[in-house]
Amino acid sequence: QQQVKQSPQSLIVQKGGISIINCAYENTAFDYFPWYQQFPGKGPALLIAIRPDVSEKKEGRFTISFNKSAKQFSLHIMDSQPGDSATYFCAASVNTGGFKTIFGAGTRLFVKA
Amino acid sequence: GAGVSQSPSNKVTEKGKDVELRCDPISGHTALYWYRQSLGQGLEFLIYFQGNSAPDKSGLPSDRFSAERTGGSVSTLTIQRTQQEDSAVYLCASRSLLGNSPLHFGNGTRLTVT
Repeated sequence: QQQVKQSPQSLIVQKGGISIINCAYENTAFDYFPWYQQFPGKGPALLIAIRPDVSEKKEGRFTISFNKSAKQFSLHIMDSQPGDSATYFCAASVNTGGFKTIFGAGTRLFVKA
Repeated sequence: GAGVSQSPSNKVTEKGKDVELRCDPISGHTALYWYRQSLGQGLEFLIYFQGNSAPDKSGLPSDRFSAERTGGSVSTLTIQRTQQEDSAVYLCASRSLLGNSPLHFGNGTRLTVT
């Protein structure tokens, strides 16, 4: 019930294309859903986050779509660039009580020039 | 200000030895987390500290693993009698508990057990 399932494990996209990464969760107590971006040799860094009271959030080329009834959320990267090549993690947490953040398994994105 | 600092950045140790990994969180962040990232894998939660509350140790994989946080700031993760399966990157993160603040990660300690 604490798991966050992420797919695909890896993704290759042509420059200018759309990258889509999907996540699903079980625990309906989760109330904060961030996405983190990790480059080799670095720790993950927050990319964008959403709360379950909205269905979509957009920041520049990055959009989170959230489907509360299906308990699914996804990251869309529009106009993907080679600099976007990194590992992306979805996550979920309960922002009351424990604040423990559970991460998906990660998606390795490679954007071909 | 400065970010989360972890030391050492790399550690090679022999099987059976004890190791200590250090984390300096961002000043003022009351919550501190340890995660483990095995090669090509996701982030495995290990332990969470919040202020003076008892830590959430539910992710520690065995009793060889322990962690402490002194003075509500610096944290040390100790692995006793290291095994080859302990080889991984150990990531520390801190966060403020104001609103939906994100985790701020250090760059990790890469542990190799030979």
